[in-house]
Amino acid sequence: QKEVEQDPGPLSVPEGAIVSLNCTYSNSAFQYFMWYRQYSRKGPELLMYTYSSGNKEDGRFTAQVDKSSKYISLFIRDSQPSDSATYLCAMSRGGGYQKVTFGIGTKLQVIP
Amino acid sequence: DSGVTQTPKHLITATGQRVTLRCSPRSGDLSVYWYQQSLDQGLQFLIQYYNGEERAKGNILERFSAQQFPDLHSELNLSSLELGDSALYFCASSADRGRAGEGYGYTFGSGTRLTVV
Repeated sequence: QKEVEQDPGPLSVPEGAIVSLNCTYSNSAFQYFMWYRQYSRKGPELLMYTYSSGNKEDGRFTAQVDKSSKYISLFIRDSQPSDSATYLCAMSRGGGYQKVTFGIGTKLQVIP
Repeated sequence: DSGVTQTPKHLITATGQRVTLRCSPRSGDLSVYWYQQSLDQGLQFLIQYYNGEERAKGNILERFSAQQFPDLHSELNLSSLELGDSALYFCASSADRGRAGEGYGYTFGSGTRLTVV
């Protein structure tokens, strides 16, 4: 079993829809949780990060972490065609421990 | 442009050969990370260097090696290449004294697509 599980999709939604992307994990030592966005033929770019449990909002994006369930989510409101990309969850133990573990990524397509 | 430069962008080579991938980190970043991305495995951590020294090792094969030079650029050497080594290889750098895992995140380059035939 992988440390981080993520549905690879693809996920197709109409423009304006609310998108929910999720990951589950097995390592209870993970403390830092990140979402990366990767456009085709590009490297991943950091979208959001949170520490421990809770919510974090940035514009149309909301990240949620539920450590008790080992479950993290990214919500995209009012989705746009420019949001079409692969979204990778990522997590780490922090505390100077450098390794970041990534999910396989969910491919999202927002249809105009 | 993320500020992390990877060369070459594409590489096609035969089985058994050796190749070198190069990465220049973002200005001021001391840490360099190498990742391999394939369709079935996703992003797999290979190795990290911090200011010239190896800091962490992941699922890196013995046929692979890396180093970071005094000017902070890094090279990933892949030898005795096999068909299964075909993948995207990403380099990332971090600005925060190596503590990328605490949320500061990485800055990724655009990757090198390696095709082994």
